[in-house]
Amino acid sequence: GQQLNQSPQSMFIQEGEDVSMNCTSSSIFNTWLWYKQDPGEGPVLLIALYKAGELTSNGRLTAQFGITRKDSFLNISASIPSDVGIYFCAGRRGSRLTFGEGTQLTVNP
Amino acid sequence: GAVVSQHPSWVICKSGTSVKIECRSLDFQATTMFWYRQFPKQSLMLMATSNEGSKATYEQGVEKDKFLINHASLTLSTLTVTSAHPEDSSFYICSARKNLATNEKLFFGSGTQLSVL
Repeated sequence: GQQLNQSPQSMFIQEGEDVSMNCTSSSIFNTWLWYKQDPGEGPVLLIALYKAGELTSNGRLTAQFGITRKDSFLNISASIPSDVGIYFCAGRRGSRLTFGEGTQLTVNP
Repeated sequence: GAVVSQHPSWVICKSGTSVKIECRSLDFQATTMFWYRQFPKQSLMLMATSNEGSKATYEQGVEKDKFLINHASLTLSTLTVTSAHPEDSSFYICSARKNLATNEKLFFGSGTQLSVL
């Protein structure tokens, strides 16, 4: 079935550092989404991207919809301890949403 | 933003019993809701698409007779895990689709941790 390759699987960084993670797919998506999930909670939408090439920011977060429509990246600048969590990319075609495997982010104070 | 309420947050049950999980869109109508299952340290896997007033669409490998979905109103979908077994223990998450003027967005519930003894 449809798969999204998300990397890295985990990251351990110091507070204040910038973070980058990305997702790639063998298929085209119409929308790319980035979510954050805290333990025992549902995912919370961070950024939604609707057009190829689109670059969108939300505070310290920046994400881009790849021009080929097969990839996307998420950057977090000046990380803080509360950025800890699992970040998921998701690609949407029609009503179907496919999730990446997630990136576990740990931020050391 | 839109709110999706999922209940219960966690449930422990004996093997062989049935468990019902509710997903409600509190401030918008959702003709389509989705049910996901997530095992520890893994991604969300779509189980089924719930359509108001019609039968749910199940993903390949998901038993429709075991995971009963009812979407009787525009604000409520339920997932019933029938005759639950330990291997059904998982984190179940619902989402509801809200149609906006320019696009649509999915809003997720807070999830239900099911533990089957």
